[in-house]
Amino acid sequence: SQQGEEDPQALSIQEGENATMNCSYKTSINNLQWYRQNSGRGLVHLILIRSNEREKHSGRLRVTLDTSKKSSSLLITASRAADTASYFCATPHGNNLFFGTGTRLTVIP
Amino acid sequence: GAGVSQTPSNKVTEKGKYVELRCDPISGHTALYWYRQSLGQGPEFLIYFQGTGAADDSGLPNDRFFAVRPEGSVSTLKIQRTERGDSAVYLCASSLMASGVYNEQFFGPGTRLTVL
Repeated sequence: SQQGEEDPQALSIQEGENATMNCSYKTSINNLQWYRQNSGRGLVHLILIRSNEREKHSGRLRVTLDTSKKSSSLLITASRAADTASYFCATPHGNNLFFGTGTRLTVIP
Repeated sequence: GAGVSQTPSNKVTEKGKYVELRCDPISGHTALYWYRQSLGQGPEFLIYFQGTGAADDSGLPNDRFFAVRPEGSVSTLKIQRTERGDSAVYLCASSLMASGVYNEQFFGPGTRLTVL
């Protein structure tokens, strides 16, 4: 079974707006990762946040982690049409990754 | 450099047939993973190799599924007596090493399997 749940399942915004996606997970973690997937195929690693970090930035991406609530959020600022994709959070367990159910983001030009 | 490659990109088969899906990891990556992704879901772990051996096959759904990595590089996922419920995208990933702490995996484009 999958570890996490993303919220919302789908999000549609206008280009230039910010997009926020949330992820909840169930067990203790060392880190949490966010991935992007275009057209249901290969995933691309976006950013990793360690359990002792609360916030991390990478370009237009901002990730937060609240280990007390077992939740994380991914913020994409100044969205572009090219950001249209599915976004997944993933938590490592042993040597494997457990993925959430994903948020489908659509950015309307 | 070359990323993870998977062949075929699409496979259509009939119920009851046998299929093989191939994964070429990034050169030098010792860890290799197989995932299965159904429509509208996140990837689900199937099996993990460290070198030639299957270190964790707890995600394989049943004994119709088997995977090998005989030389510690290319891996083949084998599905016997396919069922319609096996239809999904099968993703392969590799990583430089499996640390259990930080584990960035690089994914291939996947093989879309359709069982008619």
